[in-house]
Amino acid sequence: DAGVIQSPRHEVTEMGQEVTLRCKPISGHNSLFWYRQTMMRGLELLIYFNNNVPIDDSGMPEDRFSAKMPNASFSTLKIQPSEPRDSAVYFCASILFGRNTEAFFGQGTRLTVV
Amino acid sequence: DAKTTQPPSMDCAEGRAANLPCNHSTISGNEYVYWYRQIHSQGPQYIIHGLKNNETNEMASLIITEDRKSSTLILPHATLRDTAVYYCIVRVLLNTDKLIFGTGTRLQVFP
Repeated sequence: DAGVIQSPRHEVTEMGQEVTLRCKPISGHNSLFWYRQTMMRGLELLIYFNNNVPIDDSGMPEDRFSAKMPNASFSTLKIQPSEPRDSAVYFCASILFGRNTEAFFGQGTRLTVV
Repeated sequence: DAKTTQPPSMDCAEGRAANLPCNHSTISGNEYVYWYRQIHSQGPQYIIHGLKNNETNEMASLIITEDRKSSTLILPHATLRDTAVYYCIVRVLLNTDKLIFGTGTRLQVFP
């Protein structure tokens, strides 16, 4: 397996534009996490899914953020409209609860909103 | 999940053992101790986990005190490539549960 795949790796957008980040988890994994990392706030959990169902989105900063997982092999994190303070590295991770014990992380998407 | 406390930074000479401590005084009986590390600009990487017994794998050893209120991650022969932020996390193993990262310890291995 190629691991957790995130796209794009880098994204630069103007304030007010819609941004969509994508994640392909490891095949067979049943849970997926979205994180945001900044120097000031560290690694923050935004939302996580179990069997494609959102379990806890309490970390989503505001209504401008939304996440979906239409099937077991794909998830998106959307920001609309984007703001400069959304600039961060966004990580996706997947895990197979009940069998594996480790979460596998993607390489992240570096988002810059200007 | 129980909270963890780690020193913000540590130094270690290359080739020496790096001992990274973690306090988790409110850990519950069914919570495991996990360690991850994050090398600059990469996604976090799993290292090791344990419940109450000491554990060892090809990357590191994990020593958990008998009362389980603290643990130590040991990198037996640190290399420059071990320079990273190390996170100690406690969580229930077989559950749909959050994976919450604290601030971690920034380990600098020097020549």
